[in-house]
Amino acid sequence: QQQVKQSPQSLIVQKGGISIINCAYENTAFDYFPWYQQFPGKGPALLIAIRPDVSEKKEGRFTISFNKSAKQFSLHIMDSQPGDSATYFCAASIGAGGTSYGKLTFGQGTILTVHP
Amino acid sequence: DAGITQSPRHKVTETGTPVTLRCHQTENHRYMYWYRQDPGHGLRLIHYSYGVKDTDKGEVSDGYSVSRSKTEDFLLTLESATSSQTSVYFCAIRGGGPNTEAFFGQGTRLTVV
Repeated sequence: QQQVKQSPQSLIVQKGGISIINCAYENTAFDYFPWYQQFPGKGPALLIAIRPDVSEKKEGRFTISFNKSAKQFSLHIMDSQPGDSATYFCAASIGAGGTSYGKLTFGQGTILTVHP
Repeated sequence: DAGITQSPRHKVTETGTPVTLRCHQTENHRYMYWYRQDPGHGLRLIHYSYGVKDTDKGEVSDGYSVSRSKTEDFLLTLESATSSQTSVYFCAIRGGGPNTEAFFGQGTRLTVV
């Protein structure tokens, strides 16, 4: 059962454009929502993360928008650059207490291509 | 890069043989995880560890076992490799409290023929 659904599977944008990737989750106990960036042949690396007590978080050109009532969150990449071409994964975990131990549930991934 | 080393980086093995992948960390982090990455599925948790000798199953644990006899090493064993276990395997580590950053290794590409 896929608890985090990610779309689109692939995305092509022009340099300078806005890239938007969406994720929806089912488990309302999730309280940590990171986005990972992965380049070919490398492991995923944390890009930006948000907790459900805020609706938006911005770091440079990257912004997470979070809608708790809709159980959705999205990644916006402003002024997209060819160097942003990579696979992006959304994820979710339960961190507050219990025996969750920070296990991450990942979305299916989005392959982003930014054309120069 | 966080101090995580996966070995081997690439392996081709035959169906039915046992295979062990190693994850070694130099960060003294408490939590260690094994994920597999397959197209269309993202990364899925196989097993994880929350301390020495403390391990538990993840989402896709059938056919896999793990061991952690010391903080720095987390071993993943495919007891009898099958073609469905052809995948890229990632180890991750995390320290501190809940929801701190997880750091991933470079991955091991395993092909079962």
